[in-house]
Amino acid sequence: SQQGEEDPQALSIQEGENATMNCSYKTSINNLQWYRQNSGRGLVHLILIRSNEREKHSGRLRVTLDTSKKSSSLLITASRAADTASYFCATDGGTDKLIFGTGTRLQVFP
Amino acid sequence: DAGITQSPRYKITETGRQVTLMCHQTWSHSYMFWYRQDLGHGLRLIYYSAAADITDKGEVPDGYVVSRSKTENFPLTLESATRSQTSVYFCASTPGISYEQYFGPGTRLTVT
Repeated sequence: SQQGEEDPQALSIQEGENATMNCSYKTSINNLQWYRQNSGRGLVHLILIRSNEREKHSGRLRVTLDTSKKSSSLLITASRAADTASYFCATDGGTDKLIFGTGTRLQVFP
Repeated sequence: DAGITQSPRYKITETGRQVTLMCHQTWSHSYMFWYRQDLGHGLRLIYYSAAADITDKGEVPDGYVVSRSKTENFPLTLESATRSQTSVYFCASTPGISYEQYFGPGTRLTVT
């Protein structure tokens, strides 16, 4: 079964708006990662947040982690049409492998 | 070419045939992974390898075989392909468990 579950499954917004995606997971983790996948392409790593971190920023991306609630959120500020993609969270479950969620499909309209 | 590559990019085969998907990385990363991606299931781990000659099962290993005789290569073999193995297969590598994974471009496999 999936370790991480993203919410919502799909999100449509206008350019310039912020997009927020959530991820919930089931077991303790060492770190949580977010990836992006453009249609028909491989996944690209966005950001990694360790279990002892609460918030991390990278450009227009902001990731938060709440280990007590076993949840994380990815915020993309000032979205662009080029941000249209699927976004996946992945957790290690304290092991040496990642388990991916089913993803959030983000559509940003010009 | 630097990076991680997969071949072939597209493959059509018949039920019962043996198929091997290749994955090659140039970074000498210790870890390599095989995933399959299907609608509604996201990415599911098939097999992974922590180093040459060390492999372990993931979530959906049945019907697949892997080997890793060299650090840079991690082939995935479908011994007797079934229609349920129609999928997009991604290979990935990472230097360690606390680092990001680097993904290949994927192989789209159709089993008829």
